[in-house]
Amino acid sequence: NAGVTQTPKFRVLKTGQSMTLLCAQDMNHEYMYWYRQDPGMGLRLIHYSVGEGTTAKGEVPDGYNVSRLKKQNFLLGLESAAPSQTSVYFCASRPMGGTDTQYFGPGTRLTVL
Amino acid sequence: GQSLEQPSEVTAVEGAIVQINCTYQTSGFYGLSWYQQHDGGAPTFLSYNALDGLEETGRFSSFLSRSDSYGYLLLQELQMKDSASYFCAPFQTGANNLFFGTGTRLTVIP
Repeated sequence: NAGVTQTPKFRVLKTGQSMTLLCAQDMNHEYMYWYRQDPGMGLRLIHYSVGEGTTAKGEVPDGYNVSRLKKQNFLLGLESAAPSQTSVYFCASRPMGGTDTQYFGPGTRLTVL
Repeated sequence: GQSLEQPSEVTAVEGAIVQINCTYQTSGFYGLSWYQQHDGGAPTFLSYNALDGLEETGRFSSFLSRSDSYGYLLLQELQMKDSASYFCAPFQTGANNLFFGTGTRLTVIP
């Protein structure tokens, strides 16, 4: 099992450009999450999904959109990137009823110039 | 509202014991998880408490007091590789997710 994978690992964007971050998990987990981590800020939840076709806003959703068309994939989109979105993005998943453990992907380091 | 308090930094000597405290305030609390994150890496699960008391996993133990909204992570026989950030994360039933604070940066010195 690959667990949770994220694509790409690194990306540099110019202000106003768009991009999509892909998260994939092969553990058949129902729940999937997107976090961002900034220095000194810990992990902040952007959006999450409780199942295929469903999404919900987290703590810092502005400027991001998500889609969960397939159970194993959770996409995070930036329509018009801003320097404030420079961060490390982590995807995570957990099974239904698994309140303790979230499994994290390796992260995507995004820089917006 | 929700809030978490952990010390921002802790330094301890190799071979010693260190305790990282966590106080929390969340809505719909279900349990408390602990995660470790090395620089440049992803958070990884360490321990979880749903009930009051101590949970032991090798050199790591975690404690929870629901009535005090308090928990701690105990690391024994510290090794240099334990230098990392440690996050306590209460599970919020209403939001179906973990709430992460800013974490505690542990530095283990020789």
